[in-house]
Amino acid sequence: AQSVTQLDSQVPVFEEAPVELRCNYSSSVSVYLFWYVQYPNQGLQLLLKYLSGSTLVKGINGFEAEFNKSQTSFHLRKPSVHISDTAEYFCAVSMNRDDKIIFGKGTRLHILP
Amino acid sequence: ETGVTQSPTHLIKTRGQQVTLRCSSQSGHNTVSWYQQALGQGPQFIFQYYREEENGRGNFPPRFSGLQFPNYSSELNVNALELDDSALYLCASSLDGTCGGGGTDTQYFGPGTRLTVL
Repeated sequence: AQSVTQLDSQVPVFEEAPVELRCNYSSSVSVYLFWYVQYPNQGLQLLLKYLSGSTLVKGINGFEAEFNKSQTSFHLRKPSVHISDTAEYFCAVSMNRDDKIIFGKGTRLHILP
Repeated sequence: ETGVTQSPTHLIKTRGQQVTLRCSSQSGHNTVSWYQQALGQGPQFIFQYYREEENGRGNFPPRFSGLQFPNYSSELNVNALELDDSALYLCASSLDGTCGGGGTDTQYFGPGTRLTVL
């Protein structure tokens, strides 16, 4: 069975500072990995996804993530955050491209002025 | 804007009642998945429909049921509502590529319906 662990429930960071949101997964088979963002009172928006190929994945809004198979991690990074990045971020995994998605519990990103 | 819409946006029901939530998928998408997101939690997979047939189910009781229609719309029905059913319900549409049609690789989520059970 697959599972996703987001190690931090909340991450405070100053505006224009870099940020890393951590995600580890467990699976006995190859998986697809995703990061979704949820702004207050909204649905989920796909930030980026890893299906295969290059382990460094670039997404929208300046975010990127690196797939590390040996450490079973898929951490999300942004070199300089903006107040508009305040949101909940979910790491997720699925076995097939359109299969059910298993989500982590989320990390709330607080941008400090 | 994902092209996936859900109705209603908010709903209040009492214990024991039944509820129907609706989702309109992105045009051409033949697969719809439903998720339950309790407060402070990540979404949990309820079930998936592919070409109007259930195509996978999560750990939810039979009182959670669904329908998918040829016009890309779908419904989530919940009978005998319980207090713990209070949550944000999300639908997501995708184009399944496993039959050689070329999938989208991505599930596109709607804005959700917030259900409160009193």
